[in-house]
Amino acid sequence: GAGVSQSPSNKVTEKGKDVELRCDPISGHTALYWYRQSLGQGLEFLIYFQGNSAPDKSGLPSDRFSAERTGGSVSTLTIQRTQQEDSAVYLCASSLFGQAGYTFGSGTRLTVV
Amino acid sequence: GIQVEQSPPDLILQEGANSTLRCNFSDSVNNLQWFHQNPWGQLINLFYIPSGTKQNGRLSATTVATERYSLLYISSSQTTDSGVYFCAGSVNDYKLSFGAGTTVTVRA
Repeated sequence: GAGVSQSPSNKVTEKGKDVELRCDPISGHTALYWYRQSLGQGLEFLIYFQGNSAPDKSGLPSDRFSAERTGGSVSTLTIQRTQQEDSAVYLCASSLFGQAGYTFGSGTRLTVV
Repeated sequence: GIQVEQSPPDLILQEGANSTLRCNFSDSVNNLQWFHQNPWGQLINLFYIPSGTKQNGRLSATTVATERYSLLYISSSQTTDSGVYFCAGSVNDYKLSFGAGTTVTVRA
């Protein structure tokens, strides 16, 4: 597509439920990134994909977080047993290769109640 | 990751004014990007500028990698320039470290 598409744009979930966030990168972009932005905070790196591989998962906050990418395209970030501190805007970005300009999606605003 | 310091944290401008935003890095980066986050939260890539100078309309940026800083210039500011400006960098790495941002408010 023309840009990075994320869905849903907003998600309200109850504490303890699982959520899945989806990212459709720009076609042909081999690198895909997930970041998190909490209210009043900066951008926190979560995970990076090169193709379908995730060489660095060190940014994932806990083992409740996981992500996958299939077909070198769509990526899903899953949060299990959500907690209130997971509330944030989850941003996905893609780039043509590992060190090139990022294009961000509009984000998914997650609220855990 | 590297440490990224942005200044000033806040900037209020009258429409038409010029301004300079600065970004300092704790190490020499080889991947440096500037972003604008508009009031609706969308992050727009302004520049990919690991070194040198680039211009895009009323915006320009200069990076001096050996001295570990980058500057973003806004000329003839408009109300649509309001938002938060982030710089981000990495060293031989894909993982960008972001600064805390400069919040720019342009008043008509």
